[in-house]
Amino acid sequence: QVQLVESGGGVVQPGGSLRLSCAASGFTFSRYGMHWVRQAPGKGLEWVAFVQPDGRDTNYVESVKGRFTISRDNSKKSLYLQMNSLRNEDTAVYFCARDLLLWELPEYYFDSWGQGTLVTVSS
Amino acid sequence: VLTQSPATLSLSPGESATLSCRASQSISRYLAWYQQKPGQAPRLLIYEASNRATGIPARFSGSVSGTDFTLTISSLDPEDFGVFYCQQRSTWPLSFGQGTRLEIK
Repeated sequence: QVQLVESGGGVVQPGGSLRLSCAASGFTFSRYGMHWVRQAPGKGLEWVAFVQPDGRDTNYVESVKGRFTISRDNSKKSLYLQMNSLRNEDTAVYFCARDLLLWELPEYYFDSWGQGTLVTVSS
Repeated sequence: VLTQSPATLSLSPGESATLSCRASQSISRYLAWYQQKPGQAPRLLIYEASNRATGIPARFSGSVSGTDFTLTISSLDPEDFGVFYCQQRSTWPLSFGQGTRLEIK
């Protein structure tokens, strides 16, 4: 079955960096677009970033552009989120999510999710 | 912008729930619904306004009229509680509504 397992969360000071990882199994990782979605404590969901199946194209929410970088290694079936210049408002549970694949093209919906990893930005 | 209503819904098992998501501009049918229970990741229920995701019971249905989207849960089961989010994929950035909390009495 599809499994997504995030890691790399923790406590970091404002201005610091963190790299999240997501290990995928149970499906052909290289066929699927992948996303990061976050949820601040007690708040709603916010989409953060997307990467195409081949890793060549990415999209970001405006608030993280220039600070976060999404990437993937299809040989390792892994998704990454490099987070630099972290701010207090980046504090959240970060979920990796698989894009829904219907006709060999991304649909930009999220059909499988990991359990999330908590990132806390605090001095 | 996606605006969900009501903020909270409290219903009994066997009743029907109607959740609304209104888009501030046309997004065609490019909307999905998710259910999230406490401490869990969200689960995809409906995509493209009215298509049930794999494994989702038939009591969950979605519809659209213009920019007004509706998630209907017929004959509520005690397990149907949680926060429900709508999400649009019409334009970047992808975005969610603020959520509707469904409580089962």
